Amino acid sequence: SQELEQSPQSLIVQEGKNLTINCTSSKTLYGLYWYKQKYGEGLIFLMMLQKGGEEKSHEKITAKLDEKKQQSSLHITASQPSHAGIYLCGADIQGAQKLVFGQGTRLTINP
Amino acid sequence: KAGVTQTPRYLIKTRGQQVTLSCSPISGHRSVSWYQQTPGQGLQFLFEYFSETQRNKGNFPGRFSGRQFSNSRSEMNVSTLELGDSALYLCASSRRGDTQYFGPGTRLTVL
Repeated sequence: SQELEQSPQSLIVQEGKNLTINCTSSKTLYGLYWYKQKYGEGLIFLMMLQKGGEEKSHEKITAKLDEKKQQSSLHITASQPSHAGIYLCGADIQGAQKLVFGQGTRLTINP
Repeated sequence: KAGVTQTPRYLIKTRGQQVTLSCSPISGHRSVSWYQQTPGQGLQFLFEYFSETQRNKGNFPGRFSGRQFSNSRSEMNVSTLELGDSALYLCASSRRGDTQYFGPGTRLTVL
């Protein structure tokens, strides 16, 4: 089973719409990272969350960390074609000596 | 500041051959991690090096090995290539195991 579950696995939204991607851990989270990947390329670091309740924003992307639920959400407001790609969450979790990644969410933006 | 660089970007090998991939971290970063990414398994941790010492190792066979040099550059080697080794190999660097910044990856195809 996946230690980090992302949902949904894929998402198709119309340009201009808002969307949310979730990342849930089965174990205690110590740090949560969000990355974006264009197909076949490297991961681009978006933001890192460490404290429960922490919220960070970068342009139209906002990420929150709910420590009690062991969950983070990534919210994109007024989506644009440039937001298309694969979003991955990575986390320092209890019992793991390495960064663990979710399976990714493939986001498609339709004009 | 230059980002993480990986060479080569693309590689085609045949079964049984061996391959060496190279990674140059961001200047000042002493930790280098390697990941294998495939459509079926997602992003899987291979190993992490810090100051020329392997700190963590993922669950991969001994055919996968790596090393880090005194200038923090790292190489990974895969011997006796199998078809299932076809993947995108990503390298990430960090100062001391904190936020990881990824390179563009090396796409390995095994025929």
